[in-house]
Amino acid sequence: RKEVEQDPGPFNVPEGATVAFNCTYSNSASQSFFWYRQDCRKEPKLLMSVYSSGNEDGRFTAQLNRASQYISLLIRDSKLSDSATYLCVVTFYGQNFVFGPGTRLSVLP
Amino acid sequence: SAVISQKPSRDICQRGTSLTIQCQVDSQVTMMFWYRQQPGQSLTLIATANQGSEATYESGFVIDKFPISRPNLTFSTLTVSNMSPEDSSIYLCSVDTGVANEKLFFGSGTQLSVL
Repeated sequence: RKEVEQDPGPFNVPEGATVAFNCTYSNSASQSFFWYRQDCRKEPKLLMSVYSSGNEDGRFTAQLNRASQYISLLIRDSKLSDSATYLCVVTFYGQNFVFGPGTRLSVLP
Repeated sequence: SAVISQKPSRDICQRGTSLTIQCQVDSQVTMMFWYRQQPGQSLTLIATANQGSEATYESGFVIDKFPISRPNLTFSTLTVSNMSPEDSSIYLCSVDTGVANEKLFFGSGTQLSVL
């Protein structure tokens, strides 16, 4: 079993839609959780950290369920510029950042 | 956050040659990492570059193939040695800010094509 798994995608959604990505991790001792965004042929960039209490940043909401070892990312009112690959990242005491395979999102006009 | 300069941004190399990739950070960082991202794949950690000691390599990666230098807290190099077409990939330098809530920041990557 892979350490971090994500929805395979791709997700093709119209502008304005709400889309949710799921991520599961296998190491119950995982410590920190992040969502990264990667545009085509670019480096990954930190989108947001994921906290136990859940957190929101504008149109983006991240949730963490430690009991189920599950992370989610919700994007509301999708924009064309949201088209990218979204990477779920999990760490164990910051010693090893493990990347999920990514979920590709295409927002269509 | 940290500003990371990585070069070259891309290169086309002949089989059997070696390429050294440089990574410069605008501040001192404890943890520096080198990742590989093959076409259509996610990131795979090659090694952790430790200042003042040998790099720590992940399973499947060895020092003879990917020698790493870390002479100080702001700089590291990764060499891809004796290249073959299978080494064609994006190589990414990254740093961990190392504060209470660790975050990983990336250089812009090196697109390597081996003929």
